[in-house]
Amino acid sequence: SQKIEQNSEALNIQEGKTATLTCNYTNYSPAYLQWYRQDPGRGPVFLLLIRENEKEKRKERLKVTFDTTLKQSLFHITASQPADSATYLCASPGGYNKLIFGAGTRLAVHP
Amino acid sequence: EAGVTQSPTHLIKTRGQQATLRCSPISGHTSVYWYQQALGLGLQFLLWYDEGEERNRGNFPPRFSGRQFPNYSSELNVNALELEDSALYLCASSLVRENEQFFGPGTRLTVL
Repeated sequence: SQKIEQNSEALNIQEGKTATLTCNYTNYSPAYLQWYRQDPGRGPVFLLLIRENEKEKRKERLKVTFDTTLKQSLFHITASQPADSATYLCASPGGYNKLIFGAGTRLAVHP
Repeated sequence: EAGVTQSPTHLIKTRGQQATLRCSPISGHTSVYWYQQALGLGLQFLLWYDEGEERNRGNFPPRFSGRQFPNYSSELNVNALELEDSALYLCASSLVRENEQFFGPGTRLTVL
């Protein structure tokens, strides 16, 4: 079955460094991948969408890559700030408007 | 512009009872989605409604049901509550042919 995997361990980094989060998918080839941010007790907030024919997409300090050979997307936050601390979710279409989400990776940026 | 709203914020029920959760989409959005997020787990797709019809359903038992009203707001009903139904229930809305889904703050359901 279609599956999205994210590193379940929390990622701890120093302020100012680049955070890199990984999303791997198996058993299918999604037409696009989405990245969301979720703060505790809140709903996810859409950040970026990257299509299978796009290698890279940027938005301010965020960068997403899509490698269809490795079946992987990388999500980068450059010049990270403590305010970037949150859980980041990767999602892909699961057919008929359904989204399949990974379990998310918790990012903690320390001053 | 108001975002997706959900009510109530918290809901406490006992096993065997029924729960009703409500969602109002962003104005102009006709599609409403429901997701379950149990503690430590990812979002699991429950239901998709569009134009008043159920369009897709996730791998959940029939005691999870819902409906969409003419004003596009939606209701999720969970019958015969079980302890494992305790979770954050998230509603999202979108324009039907758009990929981005806008989420509400969620309803925290606790089953005792």
